[in-house]
Amino acid sequence: EIVLTQSPGTLSLSPGQRATLSCRASQSLSNSYLAWYQQKPGQAPRLLIFGASSRATGIPGRFGGSGSGTDFTLTISRLEPEDFAVYYCQQYSWSPLTFGGGTKVEIK
Amino acid sequence: QVELVQSGSELKKPGASVKVSCKTSGYTFTNHPLIWVRQAPGQGLEWMGSINTNTGNPTYAGGLTGRFGFSLDTSVSTAYLQINDLKAEDTALYFCARGYGNVFDAWGQGTIVTVSS
Repeated sequence: EIVLTQSPGTLSLSPGQRATLSCRASQSLSNSYLAWYQQKPGQAPRLLIFGASSRATGIPGRFGGSGSGTDFTLTISRLEPEDFAVYYCQQYSWSPLTFGGGTKVEIK
Repeated sequence: QVELVQSGSELKKPGASVKVSCKTSGYTFTNHPLIWVRQAPGQGLEWMGSINTNTGNPTYAGGLTGRFGFSLDTSVSTAYLQINDLKAEDTALYFCARGYGNVFDAWGQGTIVTVSS
């Protein structure tokens, strides 16, 4: 099973700042099959990024994904108040599909 | 628009069974697999498996026991998750989601299942 390790566990930032979230896979992900989701309290997750760098429909341009192999990054260029949430990465190169443990982006 | 609407919260005793429904609309049901994801209290997301909405063939995550079952009623574009012989560790928030390849591009609102004596 592929283990995804997300860091940091918590990121304390202010609105307007840049957020950089990391996701490291225990094995290389073929075709960069890595997705990112946002989850707010009491809500279902929302797909942000798939294929490591492709934004899902309706996702603002301030969200960007990058990386390949085992190291991936989600960047939020300028945090808006609605961006404070938990972010999960998910790999779909290997079965079983697995999620990372999440990074909480909180208001500083 | 694409919608997945799940059934309401459930409180069950250990040993009982529960069946969670996920009614979809806004797209062709058989064009996308239906995925189930579990979130234990205060924890992260866990992929439970998926069901092929064309064939009804389920795929279960390795950690799931035979107590879990996925099914469909294509006539009403609805998927079901059944859990038998409920245990305290089954207490969780259960999500259904639409598969787009192997990512999940639309989600139900979640169903809380609480197992307590």
